[in-house]
Amino acid sequence: GAGVSQTPSNKVTEKGKYVELRCDPISGHTALYWYRQSLGQGPEFLIYFQGTGAADDSGLPNDRFFAVRPEGSVSTLKIQRTERGDSAVYLCASSRQLGTDNEQFFGPGTRLTVL
Amino acid sequence: AQSVTQLDSQVPVFEEAPVELRCNYSSSVSVYLFWYVQYPNQGLQLLLKYLSGSTLVKGINGFEAEFNKSQTSFHLRKPSVHISDTAEYFCAVKAGGTSYGKLTFGQGTILTVHP
Repeated sequence: GAGVSQTPSNKVTEKGKYVELRCDPISGHTALYWYRQSLGQGPEFLIYFQGTGAADDSGLPNDRFFAVRPEGSVSTLKIQRTERGDSAVYLCASSRQLGTDNEQFFGPGTRLTVL
Repeated sequence: AQSVTQLDSQVPVFEEAPVELRCNYSSSVSVYLFWYVQYPNQGLQLLLKYLSGSTLVKGINGFEAEFNKSQTSFHLRKPSVHISDTAEYFCAVKAGGTSYGKLTFGQGTILTVHP
């Protein structure tokens, strides 16, 4: 079956612009996670959803970052007033349900470059 | 809170040689442990996981890891590597005993297998 998909695969924007990154989880997966991977680093947790609600958004770096999942499936990560430091690969993952033994399946990521 | 340290940023090795990628973690609670692999231009893929039970865990592609609670380590091993094992490997932890889904990753180890 289809895995986690993310669009666009690459996004180049200018400092100060607004961007949206989309994640399509595996069908039937109720938990969805966003991570950010900066160059030379491991992924860092941003936010996760159980259904439509954000169960934990403690990893969002500041109020320029916001994510939604209005129908409990597709999620959009929104970044306002982008800064050069936001340049990174943004990873999305989904799992069947929130839990200790549920594997997170990762998408290929969106590479964001802020000029 | 949890943290993960991968002791080697790069590991070069010749084909058919054994390899060990080192991972140490820190946590005030019990943890579940994971190794992920990231091939070039692909998403993260789960290699293996330790949740409970036997401390020696076997994963895909001939990899195994051993959980050592006293040394807070979870080193990844393979007795004979192939060119196709060239990739970046990430160790990750998740708080155990709860439904909390956040993964904390190490910085990654780039394994390069030479012919």
